[in-house]
Amino acid sequence: AQRVTQPEKLLSVFKGAPVELKCNYSYSGSPELFWYVQYSRQRLQLLLRHISRESIKGFTADLNKGETSFHLKKPFAQEEDSAMYYCALSGRAAGNKLTFGGGTRVLVKP
Amino acid sequence: DTAVSQTPKYLVTQMGNDKSIKCEQNLGHDTMYWYKQDSKKFLKIMFSYNNKELIINETVPNRFSPKSPDKAHLNLHINSLELGDSAVYFCASSQGRGGRGEQFFGPGTRLTVL
Repeated sequence: AQRVTQPEKLLSVFKGAPVELKCNYSYSGSPELFWYVQYSRQRLQLLLRHISRESIKGFTADLNKGETSFHLKKPFAQEEDSAMYYCALSGRAAGNKLTFGGGTRVLVKP
Repeated sequence: DTAVSQTPKYLVTQMGNDKSIKCEQNLGHDTMYWYKQDSKKFLKIMFSYNNKELIINETVPNRFSPKSPDKAHLNLHINSLELGDSAVYFCASSQGRGGRGEQFFGPGTRLTVL
């Protein structure tokens, strides 16, 4: 069965500090990995996906198949980055359904 | 506005009642989903429909019955509501079949069962 683990429930950092949200997964096959974000009073939205290899709002994430990880990083956190972040996985081996991790709340302090 | 919309936004009801949540998307997507977010913010898929056909049905009590009258609508009907059904329910849609594409989420419906 596919599984996504986000070990940190809460990450609190100061503005300008680096932030890294950990995501580990278990999946037999080639997964597609995503990061979704939910800002306060807004709907859940896609932040980035591994196949795009983009940097969105200064965030990057690299799929490491050896370590089965897809950590999200930003070198200089901003207050507007405070939100709930979800790592998610999809793949044919599990009927293409999207499985979410438990979420990490990021709080960026001024 | 092109988006995924849900009604109602808030729903407070007594145990044992039957209630429905409606979802509509005007993005022209083929696939729609229902997710449940519990009090610990854990988000789990419940159902998925592709062009009115049920394609994902997770282990959900059969008191929950999704209905898709057309590919732009996916409603969720819940019979005999229980305290444990209290949660935020999110509708989502995507182009193509399954969860491999970007999913667009509705604002959520907060259900409170008393």
